[in-house]
Order: sequence, then structure tokens, then C-alpha cells
Amino acid sequence: EPEVTQTPSHQVTQMGQEVILRCVPISNHLYFYWYRQILGQKVEFLVSFYNNEISEKSEIFDDQFSVERPDGSNFTLKIRSTKLEDSAMYFCASIFGNTGELFFGEGSRLTVL
Amino acid sequence: AQSVTQLGSHVSVSEGALVLLRCNYSSSVPPYLFWYVQYPNQGLQLLLKYTTGATLVKGINGFEAEFKKSETSFHLTKPSAHMSDAAEYFCAVSEGTGGFKTIFGAGTRLFVKA
Repeated sequence: EPEVTQTPSHQVTQMGQEVILRCVPISNHLYFYWYRQILGQKVEFLVSFYNNEISEKSEIFDDQFSVERPDGSNFTLKIRSTKLEDSAMYFCASIFGNTGELFFGEGSRLTVL
Repeated sequence: AQSVTQLGSHVSVSEGALVLLRCNYSSSVPPYLFWYVQYPNQGLQLLLKYTTGATLVKGINGFEAEFKKSETSFHLTKPSAHMSDAAEYFCAVSEGTGGFKTIFGAGTRLFVKA
């Protein structure tokens, strides 16, 4: 069964460092997303991506964040200068389009020290 | 804009008892509605979804939910709880168009007592 894969599963970084989280969405899906879940809290929408550009982003997704799909398979989330409050589980998701059902990866846990 | 409200951050039931997790939504257009389950240290798994058609939808693991437009609700039920149902449950809404942005409720943690 096709699945969304994310790497790394866990990353520890120092405050101020750049982090790149990687995702491989399901191959025939058209829409891609990043969500964030701070420990014990709700799943928050960060950004959606379609046709090689951002289609929508939340207020959380400020200038420190960026996304790209460099090679037609990977979908990356970059945080330029991490802050303590960026510590969270980051989930990548994708959908084909007509069902609206998100397929989630297992998540990347980011710990900022 | 969409929003989702889940009533009760924690629900505790006895094994074999009815499970009822409440969800109310708001959406400016006919919504797509979802329930996802999250087990500890895992990602989110779709339990069931409503897009169009029959308002009572059945999902995996014996769960079902009913879309009630007049009440803007999409409550999740299961007739008989099992210990393995203990998890976090998230209700979510998408406007089903454009970027299919999905917004999640705050989640309800289900505890099942032996």
C-alpha cells in the first residue's frame, strides 16, 4: 500500500540552526501539506502546496519557514533559524485531490535545545 | 473560514460501553468531514470520512459517524468499546475545494477502563 514517508524520524538541533525535514508523498498525489503538533496539543495547519507553489499558509508559517519540491518526488520543509517553540512533531501529508482525505506520514519529531 | 470544536478533551468509558465523541464544525460551503485516530507516538490514521451522499458513514474498527447539517455536527460513535480503542481522536473539516485545506479539532483522548 502506498504511503507517505518522512525523514528523519527525530532530529535534535541547537536554537538558531537550520533544519530541513523531508517527505516523499504518495506518487500520484497532487496536493502536499505540512502540519505541526506541539506535544499534547492540536494538529495545526502550516502550509499547502500545489502545482509547485504554495496555495495557502497559516500565520505560523512565517519567513523562517519555506517549502519546496526540488525533484518531483521529495517535499521539504525548511526552518531557517530554529527557536525553542519550534519543538514539535511535524507531519507531512498528501492527497490526490477529489476525496480530500489526507494521507499522513509518521512524523518527524524536532527538538530544539 | 472553517473551524472544528470537539467537546471534551478527555472521555472515559468502560470496556463494552458505548463510545460517543462529539464534534461540531463550521464551514461556509458544504464540508468534507473526517475523523482521524492517533495512537501514542504515531501518525494520524483515517477512521472515516463524509464527503457527499449517505449521512451515516461507517469506518474502520467498528466506528461510525453521522453528518447532521442542521446541527452542524459529526459525532463519532462505537457501540462497544475495546481496550485497543484507547487513543486520541481528531475531528477535521475540509471545504473540499481548492487546496483542500483541512482544519483539525483539539482532539479527544479516549480512555477505556477494564
